Amino acid sequence: AQSVTQPDIHITVSEGASLELRCNYSYGATPYLFWYVQSPGQGLQLLLKYFSGDTLVQGIKGFEAEFKRSQSSFNLRKPSVHWSDAAEYFCAVGAADSNYQLIWGAGTKLIIKP
Amino acid sequence: NAGVTQTPKFRVLKTGQSMTLLCAQDMNHEYMYWYRQDPGMGLRLIHYSVGEGTTAKGEVPDGYNVSRLKKQNFLLGLESAAPSQTSVYFCASSITRTSGTSTDTQYFGPGTRLTVL
Repeated sequence: AQSVTQPDIHITVSEGASLELRCNYSYGATPYLFWYVQSPGQGLQLLLKYFSGDTLVQGIKGFEAEFKRSQSSFNLRKPSVHWSDAAEYFCAVGAADSNYQLIWGAGTKLIIKP
Repeated sequence: NAGVTQTPKFRVLKTGQSMTLLCAQDMNHEYMYWYRQDPGMGLRLIHYSVGEGTTAKGEVPDGYNVSRLKKQNFLLGLESAAPSQTSVYFCASSITRTSGTSTDTQYFGPGTRLTVL
């Protein structure tokens, strides 16, 4: 069965520091990978997605993610975080035979220290 | 465009009461989804619809019913609410299923916070 693991429930980063949020998935074929962000009290917004091609994907708000097939990972990175990046981040996996469903990770809450 | 809207934003029910959550989208999307979000569990799909008049069960459908009588609306019903249904409910829509095309982004509403006492 497909699964998504986000190992870190919370991460605290100083403003201006770099960020990496981890996402590992379990799926036999090539997955379709997504990162969404949820600001407090809001719905989810797509940051970036990977379907095929270049394994380094650029997204909105200065985020990028790298698909590493050998490690079954799709980690999200940002070189310098801003206070406005404080939010919860969700990784999700889909597939062509997933019957329309995305499998979601439990989320990582990002806290920014001033 | 308003995108995806949900009503109501908050609701408190007593056990056994019924209610309907309304989701509306103005993007002419074919696919619509209802999720629930619980702490530490991410999003779980309740029901989804691939077009007007069609619905299907997701991962956690028990205790919920849905209808898609109009393309732009997707209703989620709780016939007899239980405390286990206390959650935040999100509606989403997309043009197509997750199939590897650039049109597969899901667009989310702001959520409905439901408490069942």
